[in-house]
Amino acid sequence: NAGVTQTPKFQVLKTGQSMTLQCAQDMNHNSMYWYRQDPGMGLRLIYYSASEGTTDKGEVPNGYNVSRLNKREFSLRLESAAPSQTSVYFCASRGQENTGELFFGEGSRLTVL
Amino acid sequence: GENVEQHPSTLSVQEGDSAVIKCTYSDSASNYFPWYKQELGKGPQLIIDIRSNVGEKKDQRIAVTLNKTAKHFSLHITETQPEDSAVYFCAASSIRRALTFGSGTRLQVQP
Repeated sequence: NAGVTQTPKFQVLKTGQSMTLQCAQDMNHNSMYWYRQDPGMGLRLIYYSASEGTTDKGEVPNGYNVSRLNKREFSLRLESAAPSQTSVYFCASRGQENTGELFFGEGSRLTVL
Repeated sequence: GENVEQHPSTLSVQEGDSAVIKCTYSDSASNYFPWYKQELGKGPQLIIDIRSNVGEKKDQRIAVTLNKTAKHFSLHITETQPEDSAVYFCAASSIRRALTFGSGTRLQVQP
């Protein structure tokens, strides 16, 4: 079992470029999440998907879009990257919405120049 | 929305001493309070959690206490070891709200 797998692990973009972060889980979890982690600010929720076919905004959704492709996969897209989106991005999943253990991927470090 | 405040931001202790990290939350509907440990270059991992119908929970050297009236909860690590050095996050959620994390505490255990 791989758990939660994120790609790519590192990416450098120029301002205005677009990219998609991919996430897949093999634990048959219903709920999936995208967080960003910035120094001194903890983990902030960008978007989440309570179940296949649904997505909802979190605390900091501006500048991002998501797609819940199927039960396993949840992607995060930056349409026009900005330096303020330089961060470490974590995908996570859990079996039940909002309670129970959250399983995280190893993170994707994104730098926008 | 929910607001979770965590203190201190950094904590240095001698090996064998105890460490305490404190969090407060704002939403009285929150009923699930996990603690995550993040090692360098890794994603956070759950180390212990507590639900609102329980005041205290222990697992070997770690324990969590919850005071719902005061809206605060704490992580206690006893007999600290160098491998306890990491960043620790508290969090809170309710059935209608995804996890909101605190800002993290960097714990350093000096050998």
